[in-house]
Amino acid sequence: ILNVEQSPQSLHVQEGDSTNFTCSFPSSNFYALHWYRWETAKSPEALFVMTLNGDEKKKGRISATLNTKEGYSYLYIKGSQPEDSATYLCALDNYGQNFVFGPGTRLSVLP
Amino acid sequence: NAGVTQTPKFQVLKTGQSMTLQCAQDMNHEYMSWYRQDPGMGLRLIHYSVGAGITDQGEVPNGYNVSRSTTEDFPLRLLSAAPSQTSVYFCASSDHPGTWMRDEQYFGPGTRLTVT
Repeated sequence: ILNVEQSPQSLHVQEGDSTNFTCSFPSSNFYALHWYRWETAKSPEALFVMTLNGDEKKKGRISATLNTKEGYSYLYIKGSQPEDSATYLCALDNYGQNFVFGPGTRLSVLP
Repeated sequence: NAGVTQTPKFQVLKTGQSMTLQCAQDMNHEYMSWYRQDPGMGLRLIHYSVGAGITDQGEVPNGYNVSRSTTEDFPLRLLSAAPSQTSVYFCASSDHPGTWMRDEQYFGPGTRLTVT
C-alpha cells in the first residue's frame, strides 16, 4: 500500500498569518496529486489536481506546488482567515486505479 | 444536479445485523468509491468501481460487499455488522477526462453508522 504522509498533523495560526503544510509520498508512479479541504461536519471538497513535476496551482489565497522528483507537495495559505479552518487532505491517484489519502493536516485559524 | 447523494444519514445497528448504504450520482461519472473515516486515520478506501459491472477491493474491504449494476448507483453492503465498523462512510465519484487519470472526486454527505 502506497503511504502518503502529511505534516504537521495540526497547527494553530492567528488570523492574517500565512502558513504552509506538506504532503510527502515515496514514489512518482502516480497520475495526479489531489488536495481537498474538509470542514467539520461537511464533506471533502477538491482544491487542486496536479499532475506534472513543477505544477503550481492557485485559487484565491490558497496555492499548491508539486515536486514529483523529491516526493512532496506544499499547500500555502496566505493571510489565513477563520473560514480557512479545516482539515486539508492530499491524495494520490495512483497506477493501481485507486486513490490513497494522507491523514490530513488540521488547521485552526484564531481570530 | 444533485451531485452525490447518500442514504441514510445516520444508522444504528446491532452486532450481526446487515444493511445497505445507498450511494447515487447524477454526473455520469465512471469512477465511484466508498471510504470510511475514523478518528486519526483519515479516509480509507473500502471498495471502488471504474464502471458499471466492475468493482475492486480497496485497503479495508473485509466485511463489506459492493456491486455496480448501473453507472449511477454504488451500494455498500455490510454483511454482518461488527462494532469495529462503527465509522462515518463517504461515497465519492469522479470522471475520467479521457485518460487513466481521474478528475477531482465529489463526495456525498456521509453516513454515520454506529454498531452496538
